[in-house]
Amino acid sequence: ETGVTQTPRHLVMGMTNKKSLKCEQHLGHNAMYWYKQSAKKPLELMFVYNFKEQTENNSVPSRFSPECPNSSHLFLHLHTLQPEDSALYLCASSQERWQETQYFGPGTRLLVL
Amino acid sequence: TQLLEQSPQFLSIQEGENLTVYCNSSSVFSSLQWYRQEPGEGPVLLVTVVTGGEVKKLKRLTFQFGDARKDSSLHITAAQPGDTGLYLCAGALGAGSYQLTFGKGTKLSVIP
Repeated sequence: ETGVTQTPRHLVMGMTNKKSLKCEQHLGHNAMYWYKQSAKKPLELMFVYNFKEQTENNSVPSRFSPECPNSSHLFLHLHTLQPEDSALYLCASSQERWQETQYFGPGTRLLVL
Repeated sequence: TQLLEQSPQFLSIQEGENLTVYCNSSSVFSSLQWYRQEPGEGPVLLVTVVTGGEVKKLKRLTFQFGDARKDSSLHITAAQPGDTGLYLCAGALGAGSYQLTFGKGTKLSVIP
């Protein structure tokens, strides 16, 4: 138990569906992150939020839309995804934006049909 | 170009054996983290090293940060089945940089 929870743990969706992934951290951290983990590739940073403000968008397609209503919660809204978007989506948090140690949630395994 | 190269990519050993995995780069990192990830779970932080030449021990695991802060190694003594997992190294490129650059990982299987 790392103090970062993610729901759902597994998700299957069609290319025309709209779904959301949720992340919650109980560590009192101020920075939160979305990563994508695909087979045979390093973890890819998608978005970074610091004190609820988005500070990084690593050229992520617009079919992924993040939302950070407060420092404890982070969402990733999904719509019109492609099969190649199937992956493990990981949420992480750190104390501050410049804190290099990040704590990860268990991830959401996404399958796009 | 892969910024952090991890080797070997796969490793299968018998319980009780020793092993070393490597994380190499041509870039200098302000710090480097090692994580272990089990199937169906997120990465769990094992250690952070920040000083060139630093050695940290965590029970049977020994972590070393290279003198030039470009590489690191993880040595496991007397491996156990519970050590099975994906070992990831991640480096931070500079002070104030919160972005971690991850390697592809070493997948370790310890056979009872």
